[in-house]
Amino acid sequence: QSALTQPASVSGSPGQSVTISCTGTSGDVGTYNLVSWYQQLPDKAPKLLVYGVTKRPSGVSNRFSGSKSGNTASLTISGLRAEDEADYYCCSYAGINTPYVFGTGTRVIVL
Amino acid sequence: QGQLVQSGTEVKKSGASVKVSCEASGYTFIDAYIHWVRQAPGQGLEWMGWVNPNTGNTKYAQKFEGRVTVTSDTSINTAYMDLTGLRSDDTAIYFCAREYSATRRFDLWGRGTLVTVSS
Repeated sequence: QSALTQPASVSGSPGQSVTISCTGTSGDVGTYNLVSWYQQLPDKAPKLLVYGVTKRPSGVSNRFSGSKSGNTASLTISGLRAEDEADYYCCSYAGINTPYVFGTGTRVIVL
Repeated sequence: QGQLVQSGTEVKKSGASVKVSCEASGYTFIDAYIHWVRQAPGQGLEWMGWVNPNTGNTKYAQKFEGRVTVTSDTSINTAYMDLTGLRSDDTAIYFCAREYSATRRFDLWGRGTLVTVSS
């Protein structure tokens, strides 16, 4: 099972929006509406931001939103803030044989 | 809400084994799977496997089959990840993470355990 493909980095100025793509296959992202997104601050554990493609856990800002089209999921960060500078990973359920696959990770840079 | 507390840093020689623990608190241990995810230095996240503490059932990523064993002890609310035949490319931070009731998301993470493998 190959990792899902994400851009290595995206950047934006404070207040702007950035979108991170996560491209998989028909065996994972394309079949299951079970994509989640995680934020990892430097030297910290990942934190759940979005699950089930579009849902947010309680306490997560509505500036983070998820979507999916075909084999590609996306995470949009609106109203970019300095504290959003971190690494972001997507993850998809991929069925019984290899249940989970992570994305390659994207560094968000706030200019 | 819950907490996962992992064991401390390990330094091992090539060929050795390592066992990392993950103690759960603040929720009903048998209600959630425990997953293991690793992150090599400067690299991304890699899913390794899970254990269902309620049944003891496990599932592993194909890459780690035969080298990793994930177990749980419900008497002390602790999960374990045992990795054998260590190589230098096993040097990584190993995280445990909770998945509640087949929700397909990892909503609680441990802080990670650094395992360094030297030759």
